[in-house]
Amino acid sequence: NAGVTQTPKFQVLKTGQSMTLQCAQDMNHNSMYWYRQDPGMGLRLIYYSASEGTTDKGEVPNGYNVSRLNKREFSLRLESAAPSQTSVYFCASSARGSQGGDQPQHFGDGTRLSIL
Amino acid sequence: GNSVTQMEGPVTLSEEAFLTINCTYTATGYPSLFWYVQYPGEGLQLLLKATKADDKGSNKGFEATYRKETTSFHLEKGSVQVSDSAVYFCALPSGGYQKVTFGTGTKLQVIP
Repeated sequence: NAGVTQTPKFQVLKTGQSMTLQCAQDMNHNSMYWYRQDPGMGLRLIYYSASEGTTDKGEVPNGYNVSRLNKREFSLRLESAAPSQTSVYFCASSARGSQGGDQPQHFGDGTRLSIL
Repeated sequence: GNSVTQMEGPVTLSEEAFLTINCTYTATGYPSLFWYVQYPGEGLQLLLKATKADDKGSNKGFEATYRKETTSFHLEKGSVQVSDSAVYFCALPSGGYQKVTFGTGTKLQVIP
């Protein structure tokens, strides 16, 4: 039971470098999400994909891009990393709910990203 | 959109003490309500949920009752253990399509 798998688990970047965070789920879920978690800020939604073929901005999309590669995979790209993007990044997935958002989300273990 | 407010932490309790973590919400209609738990170094995982008013969700000795009169969904446990040390998040659908709003989290530390 892999659930939601994120790679890498840790990464250190220099300012201006780019990288892609990978996420895959094996639960046949329609919806996938990227969050960042910062001390005292809780979880903030970066981007989400309600279904395969669609992506939408969340609360804090600036500096990020996403790709819903297929139903299983949803990647997050930092084109030009900045120190303000130092954070823990979580990918999540959920089944499609009848009332929108009423299905529980399943989380990966996170990517701890430091930008120097 | 919908919103949730939960008590700030950290909360420090001795083992076997009673736990309450307060959560209140503002929502259109009567959405499902959730509690998630995050253990150190891990992602969030669903602890319990309630889908309608007066429902009680329960799991691992934790309980929460969906109170529409007070718009609350407080988390309780009668006797906490050291292994319950974690961060607890209250959550509900955002009102936007397939999105969820999380509270800021309450850190619980249980000491032997």
